[in-house]
Amino acid sequence: RKEVEQDPGPFNVPEGATVAFNCTYSNSASQSFFWYRQDCRKEPKLLMSVYSSGNEDGRFTAQLNRASQYISLLIRDSKLSDSATYLCVVYGGSQGNLIFGKGTKLSVKP
Amino acid sequence: DVKVTQSSRYLVKRTGEKVFLECVQDMDHENMFWYRQDPGLGLRLIYFSYDVKMKEKGDIPEGYSVSREKKERFSLILESASTNQTSMYLCASSPGTSRYGFGQGTRLTVV
Repeated sequence: RKEVEQDPGPFNVPEGATVAFNCTYSNSASQSFFWYRQDCRKEPKLLMSVYSSGNEDGRFTAQLNRASQYISLLIRDSKLSDSATYLCVVYGGSQGNLIFGKGTKLSVKP
Repeated sequence: DVKVTQSSRYLVKRTGEKVFLECVQDMDHENMFWYRQDPGLGLRLIYFSYDVKMKEKGDIPEGYSVSREKKERFSLILESASTNQTSMYLCASSPGTSRYGFGQGTRLTVV
């Protein structure tokens, strides 16, 4: 089982849609969880951390279920500028570093 | 913000050449990392370093080596470049926590 798995997409949605990304991780000892955003041909950038209590940043809501080893990201009212690849990231693997999912590509269309 | 600078955005090298990819960070971070990113495979860890002159193999170290002579600089070396090393290479640093800063990436093409 891969350490971090996520649906590769692509997700093609119209502006204003709500879209949800899911991710699972295999190491129950993982300590911290994140969503990164990566634009085409650019480096990954931290979008938000993910907490068990759930956290929100504007139109973005992240959720962690430690029992199920499951992470989610919800984007409401999608904008064209949300088009990017979203990476599910876990910290605290066997080597104590960030483990990246392969990313889910989102395209928001007018 | 962490400033991580990679020496080149784009590189084209010939098969068999020795290639150096340089990475410098200005935050006095202990930890530095080299990843490669390929379509469908995501980011994969090549090597990392927790201190000067220390290095650890990541998931895919074959065909690569690294050098960390100074805390701020972490170099990735392709001893004899091959076409299957054509990729996007990303350097990152962190102060020993999950807060990473990434360089802008080097897109290497080996012909």
